[in-house]
Parts: sequence; C-alpha cells; structure tokens
Amino acid sequence: KAGVTQTPRYLIKTRGQQVTLSCSPISGHRSVSWYQQTPGQGLQFLFEYFSETQRNKGNFPGRFSGRQFSNSRSEMNVSTLELGDSALYLCASSIDRGRRSETQYFGPGTRLLVL
Amino acid sequence: AQSVTQLGSHVSVSEGALVLLRCNYSSSVPPYLFWYVQYPNQGLQLLLKYTSAATLVKGINGFEAEFKKSETSFHLTKPSAHMSDAAEYFCAVLSGNTPLVFGKGTRLSVIA
Repeated sequence: KAGVTQTPRYLIKTRGQQVTLSCSPISGHRSVSWYQQTPGQGLQFLFEYFSETQRNKGNFPGRFSGRQFSNSRSEMNVSTLELGDSALYLCASSIDRGRRSETQYFGPGTRLLVL
Repeated sequence: AQSVTQLGSHVSVSEGALVLLRCNYSSSVPPYLFWYVQYPNQGLQLLLKYTSAATLVKGINGFEAEFKKSETSFHLTKPSAHMSDAAEYFCAVLSGNTPLVFGKGTRLSVIA
C-alpha cells in the first residue's frame, strides 16, 4: 500500500500570500490530521477531519483552515502568510474504526518557508 | 489537559551502549501512549504504542517501552545502540477525546 503523500514537498512564499497544501491518505483511511512542526514550538495539532467534517481543531488563528473531500484527500490553507508560519506541515491518516488507539501514519511533510 | 515531558532534548550514546529516552505524561484518564521516530527530512514513523494491554511494549528496530502508571512514565529503551538509530524521538499521549499531544522531542546521537 502506498503511504501518506503530501504535495508539494517544499514551498517558498512571501508574507501576505496564501498557500494550499495537499494530503492524500493511505487507501482506506478515513481520518486525516494536520500538524505544524517548528523548532521552537515542536509538533502542534492543527485540525482533524473525518468523513469531510472537521472533528477537532487546535489553537491556531482563523487564517489556518482545511477541508476534506469525499475520497478522504485533504487540503489545508493558510491565508495572509506571516514569517512565523514557516514550518514543516505534517499530515497523518488513520483508518478510524472508532478505536482511539489507532495509529496515525505520517506523510513526509511540506516544508514551507515564508520570506 | 494531557501533556508530555521528554527529559533531555539531546542524548548522546556510544555505539553498542544502552539507549534510554525518558517520557513522563500527564493525563486525567487512562492514556494511550506512543513513541515516534523522525529521521532528517522525513515524517514521523511509529516505533511502538501502549494501548492498555501489556505494560511492556515491544516495537520495531529493537526498541521497547514500559508503561509505569505509578510513575506516569513511558520510557523508551534499546539494549544496544546502532549508528542508524540517530534521529529525533517523540513521545505522544492520546486520552479522552483530545487530539494527540507530543513532547518536545529528544535528539539521539550515536557515537562510533
């Protein structure tokens, strides 16, 4: 089975622009979560989607948004980029049969640099 | 709210020596606990997880961790370090309906 794929892998934007990142989960996985990883703050949860519905949201400003499509693929969008948004954005998917202990499988991430 | 503390942001061991990475958690309900590893320029890979079955959990690449409720700990060990173990290791806790919470990570260096 193919793993979680994220596109693009690297991205350079300037302040004020917006960006859209894409995540394709493992086939059959219905839940997708997004995380931001920075050297200072570590790994922080952004949001989780299941069956096209946002199930959980982290403590990020409204400039960060996401969505999930009927095929479980997910996108996240960051509008009005700030320098502090430079980070590695990780997507994770899980099969989600209702058990909380199910493993999240991570993609390689998209590294965003905001200049 | 749950939290994870990883003691030591950087641990250095000699090749062949014991690896011990410490993780303490805080949770108001019985937790699920995970250890992930991240190699440079890659995502996170699951090493092992605790789901309230056996308290000693064996994972991939010779790693294991022991859940100790009385100490609220879930330390990761490996008897003999290999050069390929050099990476960043993250402990994470999942409890209740809240999302996965990660520790700050411990970077493991292995010296030849």
